[in-house]
Amino acid sequence: DVKVTQSSRYLVKRTGEKVFLECVQDMDHENMFWYRQDPGLGLRLIYFSYDVKMKEKGDIPEGYSVSREKKERFSLILESASTNQTSMYLCATGTGRVNTEAFFGQGTRLTVV
Amino acid sequence: AQKVTQAQTEISVVEKEDVTLDCVYETRDTTYYLFWYKQPPSGELVFLIRRNSFDEQNEISGRYSWNFQKSTSSFNFTITASQVVDSAVYFCALSSSGGYQKVTFGTGTKLQVIP
Repeated sequence: DVKVTQSSRYLVKRTGEKVFLECVQDMDHENMFWYRQDPGLGLRLIYFSYDVKMKEKGDIPEGYSVSREKKERFSLILESASTNQTSMYLCATGTGRVNTEAFFGQGTRLTVV
Repeated sequence: AQKVTQAQTEISVVEKEDVTLDCVYETRDTTYYLFWYKQPPSGELVFLIRRNSFDEQNEISGRYSWNFQKSTSSFNFTITASQVVDSAVYFCALSSSGGYQKVTFGTGTKLQVIP
């Protein structure tokens, strides 16, 4: 079974803090993704990576950056957290083929106060 | 640009009722893939089914069935004899063949099955 593990289930951070969300996968998948999920908006793609050290902006990259130093690990970074970044963050992996499904982590619910 | 619309935000049904979740999509690609995912209260999205644009055959898996109609750009999901364990948020998604594995998700339909 594919395992996608996000480092925290719940996080509470203060405005202005630098926040790291970590995601680790064990299936050697090429692609990794970060989404945020908000009520009424569904899942929106923040960033994705198709190889080590490679990254591409998704639909809502502003205020975020990512790091992929190793194939199995993909980090989402909030450089200076703001209250409008309070959300559920979902990491996903995929084989890179468009006809295959994505595998998701359990999500991190981030609250910025 | 591609788009997925799930017009039903929330649905409540009584256990054992049948329920259909609607999904309408837009894409200019001739080759594309449609997916349904289930997100239970635990939070992790779970893959349910995939369909490619050349295969309009409907599919049944136990109490779940899917109706794909290219003429109406719809990919609807029916749960027969619903159970409390079906309570979840369901997402329809679209992936096209343009480059990387980009997936567009709908806004989700929250299904509550009442005992």
